[in-house]
Amino acid sequence: AQKVTQAQTEISVVEKEDVTLDCVYETRDTTYYLFWYKQPPSGELVFLIRRNSFDEQNEISGRYSWNFQKSTSSFNFTITASQVVDSAVYFCALSEADGAGTALIFGKGTTLSVSS
Amino acid sequence: EAQVTQNPRYLITVTGKKLTVTCSQNMNHEYMSWYRQDPGLGLRQIYYSMNVEVTDKGDVPEGYKVSRKEKRNFPLILESPSPNQTSLYFCASRLGREETQYFGPGTRLLVL
Repeated sequence: AQKVTQAQTEISVVEKEDVTLDCVYETRDTTYYLFWYKQPPSGELVFLIRRNSFDEQNEISGRYSWNFQKSTSSFNFTITASQVVDSAVYFCALSEADGAGTALIFGKGTTLSVSS
Repeated sequence: EAQVTQNPRYLITVTGKKLTVTCSQNMNHEYMSWYRQDPGLGLRQIYYSMNVEVTDKGDVPEGYKVSRKEKRNFPLILESPSPNQTSLYFCASRLGREETQYFGPGTRLLVL
């Protein structure tokens, strides 16, 4: 069965620290998609990135970077030089190409608090 | 601006009083879904639709109904709301089965 685990429930850092949010997934499909979403205190869900299972190339977008490793079934998210505005709940999610219902399977989320 | 909109954003109601939460997208997306978010349980899919007049149950469909009469709209109906349906609800849409889901701003529902 498909599953997404975000073992870190809460992380607190001070501004300018680097922080890595872990995501481990389980799936039997060979074709699947991984996502990260951000939920700021205002409550909306903001899409950050999508990764296909056949593309293990890591990605960098400004202060954000993502490390996808199929060998360990992980899709970790690193924020470099964190800022107070990064404070939010971050969700990792999985979608299977053959999955019934086309649902996104979400992890429980990691709450990141960045203090000044 | 490409977006998913939901209304109302906040709603307080009483047990048994029928309500509808509207969802609309302007991106011509085929797929639309409803999720609910609850503390400790995360986000779970309620219903989804693959096209007009095509809907199916997600993981937690009990107590909910949906309809998809037009491509852009996907309302969520609670015929007889109960307190356990107090939650944060999100509508989402995507272009195709394997595409990224984009979420609406959420609707906070309190059932007394």
